Amino acid sequence: KQEVTQIPAALSVPEGENLVLNCSFTDSAIYNLQWFRQDPGKGLTSLLLIQSSQREQTSGRLNASLDKSSGRSTLYIAASQPGDSATYLCAVRPPGNQFYFGTGTSLTVIP
Amino acid sequence: EPEVTQTPSHQVTQMGQEVILRCVPISNHLYFYWYRQILGQKVEFLVSFYNNEISEKSEIFDDQFSVERPDGSNFTLKIRSTKLEDSAMYFCASSEDGYNEKLFFGSGTQLSVL
Repeated sequence: KQEVTQIPAALSVPEGENLVLNCSFTDSAIYNLQWFRQDPGKGLTSLLLIQSSQREQTSGRLNASLDKSSGRSTLYIAASQPGDSATYLCAVRPPGNQFYFGTGTSLTVIP
Repeated sequence: EPEVTQTPSHQVTQMGQEVILRCVPISNHLYFYWYRQILGQKVEFLVSFYNNEISEKSEIFDDQFSVERPDGSNFTLKIRSTKLEDSAMYFCASSEDGYNEKLFFGSGTQLSVL
């Protein structure tokens, strides 16, 4: 069964810093990987989707990379802002219809 | 921007009661899902639904759970006889196709079973 791990569990950085969130998964047979943002008590917002054939995706200040063979993905956030404070979840889709989620990284950006 | 809508946002029920959680997926999406998140735990898959039938379900989705698309827009999750351990945030999601597209989530229904 696919297991998804995210480190660190929590991260606190001063505004303006660049940061990297890590995600690892145990089975490299995936269709794609998706990064989400979750605000307290709210739903999940899709940030980036990387197909298994891709190495990275970028959207604004966000860049996600995928190394399928080693079972790793990173989410890079440039020039962090207080509004980036949220929990970031990584999820992988193996063959089938379900995503397997990690436990998330809780990010706090201090003004 | 199109969004997935869920109602109610909060539901409190007594153990043993039936609850129905409602969702309106994005209109041109073909795949529909229910996930749940127990407080402090991972988001877990319950069921996926395509072409008016269940395409995949998890071990959690036992006989107490059912899904339905009663009309062209609504997608519902029914829990027949709720247990204390069913207390969780339930998320509906939809995607344009089953494999290569982003998953769009609703804002969730917080279910509390007393």
